[in-house]
Amino acid sequence: KAGVTQTPRYLIKTRGQQVTLSCSPISGHRSVSWYQQTPGQGLQFLFEYFSETQRNKGNFPGRFSGRQFSNSRSEMNVSTLELGDSALYLCASSLETSGGEQYFGPGTRLTVT
Amino acid sequence: GQQLNQSPQSMFIQEGEDVSMNCTSSSIFNTWLWYKQDPGEGPVLLIALYKAGELTSNGRLTAQFGITRKDSFLNISASIPSDVGIYFCAGDPPPGFGNEKLTFGTGTRLTIIP
Repeated sequence: KAGVTQTPRYLIKTRGQQVTLSCSPISGHRSVSWYQQTPGQGLQFLFEYFSETQRNKGNFPGRFSGRQFSNSRSEMNVSTLELGDSALYLCASSLETSGGEQYFGPGTRLTVT
Repeated sequence: GQQLNQSPQSMFIQEGEDVSMNCTSSSIFNTWLWYKQDPGEGPVLLIALYKAGELTSNGRLTAQFGITRKDSFLNISASIPSDVGIYFCAGDPPPGFGNEKLTFGTGTRLTIIP
């Protein structure tokens, strides 16, 4: 069974631009969660989608948004990029939305200059 | 967001040594997960624990879900070079305890000294 895939793997953007990251979960998994990982803050939860609905949201500004499609694929968008948004963005999928094991993709490394 | 207290932050060991790390929290968790992350990659799930007191092994790895549901430990026996990386614990809170799916520890960086 194929694992979680994320595209692109690397991205360089300029401050003020916007970016869209994509995540394809493991086949059959309906929950997709997004995390931001930085050296200083560790792994920070962004949001979780289940059956096209946002179920949970972390403490991030409204510039961070996401959505999930009917095939469970998910995208996250960051608008008006700031230098501090430079991070590894990780997507994780799980079968159901509560208490399940999460499987991570390889991440998208975003650099904002 | 809230993070678990994971210790030690880093470990420098020789190949063949055993390793022990743990996570503690002020809140209870329903699930404890242990992940390993290599540089530039996503975390890989090593062990999942679902019941207080549960002891689970995966090869040279052994993890336990604390009786109080507020802690967990991971042991690695007879370390080898490919064990190098960052190990994260993660806890899944009971419903109603917060809006985060998983709370992650700050990580333990394992380095093997030649």
